[in-house]
Amino acid sequence: GIQVEQSPPDLILQEGANSTLRCNFSDSVNNLQWFHQNPWGQLINLFYIPSGTKQNGRLSATTVATERYSLLYISSSQTTDSGVYFCAVKSPGANSKLTFGKGITLSVRP
Amino acid sequence: DVKVTQSSRYLVKRTGEKVFLECVQDMDHENMFWYRQDPGLGLRLIYFSYDVKMKEKGDIPEGYSVSREKKERFSLILESASTNQTSMYLCASSWWGTGSNQPQHFGDGTRLSIL
Repeated sequence: GIQVEQSPPDLILQEGANSTLRCNFSDSVNNLQWFHQNPWGQLINLFYIPSGTKQNGRLSATTVATERYSLLYISSSQTTDSGVYFCAVKSPGANSKLTFGKGITLSVRP
Repeated sequence: DVKVTQSSRYLVKRTGEKVFLECVQDMDHENMFWYRQDPGLGLRLIYFSYDVKMKEKGDIPEGYSVSREKKERFSLILESASTNQTSMYLCASSWWGTGSNQPQHFGDGTRLSIL
């Protein structure tokens, strides 16, 4: 099945810093989602982005499907950005099953 | 906004008990999913359903079963709970997406402890 690798596994930032989170995948995809899991365990949809670029406030994401990677940008980080960021993908023909990466743990310090 | 509701945020059960985890969505989604999340392993798919009374095994179905009698409700059943099923369980739903794939929306999760 498709493999998903996220990097770096852990990231510590000072409040106000910018960061880039990466997701590499091993096969073509027709669904890619970025999620943020907050300290209470809630999994929040950030982006549905199988290709192209999207922006939502301080967050933006870019997926280059032909090169099999996606990037999540966080600008002017805040302590509330802390948590785990997951990338999840679906291959064409793989019914609706998402395959998740292992996540990136982000800690933003005041 | 899509609302996916899981019946309990925290649950404590004993080894050998039959455990039911309930999930309800309010957007008439065809697809519903059950995942478990463990440290270092990320989210893994247990079962999913693409229609009423339809189900397919995910990556780790052993020790679990599911029920989908109504479109809005998807139940995960631990037939005889064991301590290795202590985990965070997450339910999700999405519109049917063949060709035009739709995002999955998640509930708040159930932290299940088996003693």
